[in-house]
Amino acid sequence: EAQVTQNPRYLITVTGKKLTVTCSQNMNHEYMSWYRQDPGLGLRQIYYSMNVEVTDKGDVPEGYKVSRKEKRNFPLILESPSPNQTSLYFCASSFSSQANTGELFFGEGSRLTVL
Amino acid sequence: QKEVEQNSGPLSVPEGAIASLNCTYSDRGSQSFFWYRQYSGKSPELIMFIYSNGDKEDGRFTAQLNKASQYVSLLIRDSQPSDSATYLCVPRDSNYQLIWGAGTKLIIKP
Repeated sequence: EAQVTQNPRYLITVTGKKLTVTCSQNMNHEYMSWYRQDPGLGLRQIYYSMNVEVTDKGDVPEGYKVSRKEKRNFPLILESPSPNQTSLYFCASSFSSQANTGELFFGEGSRLTVL
Repeated sequence: QKEVEQNSGPLSVPEGAIASLNCTYSDRGSQSFFWYRQYSGKSPELIMFIYSNGDKEDGRFTAQLNKASQYVSLLIRDSQPSDSATYLCVPRDSNYQLIWGAGTKLIIKP
């Protein structure tokens, strides 16, 4: 089954404790992206990757890191989480953003709470 | 700052009626437009896209685009309770980046 898998789905952590949210897709997509969604706001892009070893900042990259060592995986790293990073996070993927129809395939979301 | 304006709602529509969702965008360089549906607590899913001025129909859904007015709309005919969701209007800019608004919450009343 074609899918984007995020883990963990739910996490409560404390300020400053490093965490990683994993994202894996099995569709051989070149493009992958991380978003956060907060109440009343649209999806805000954190980082994106056009292909292996190519990553770029989105609109709200501060406090986050990513890597793209393999095509299928795009982990999101919070080195020192703070309460303002409490949010719902989505990973998404697609074929090359320049050629595709604009259809992003989303993971189920990871709800993160930082105390 | 590239923006998308949608009425946040909730927009309440009786079952069987036509739901009309509207969107304006600020980036004149946007050429492609997507409508995503997001059920509460779930991830967004693409329901329609439109590239050219005019109407595009797909089943009960019709997307309308007017680039001169920077206006996009989505009509849902014969609305069903299962259509209750938040609808996101998403232009794609000239750098192929998607511009996300907060969406319109639609409630279909049985």
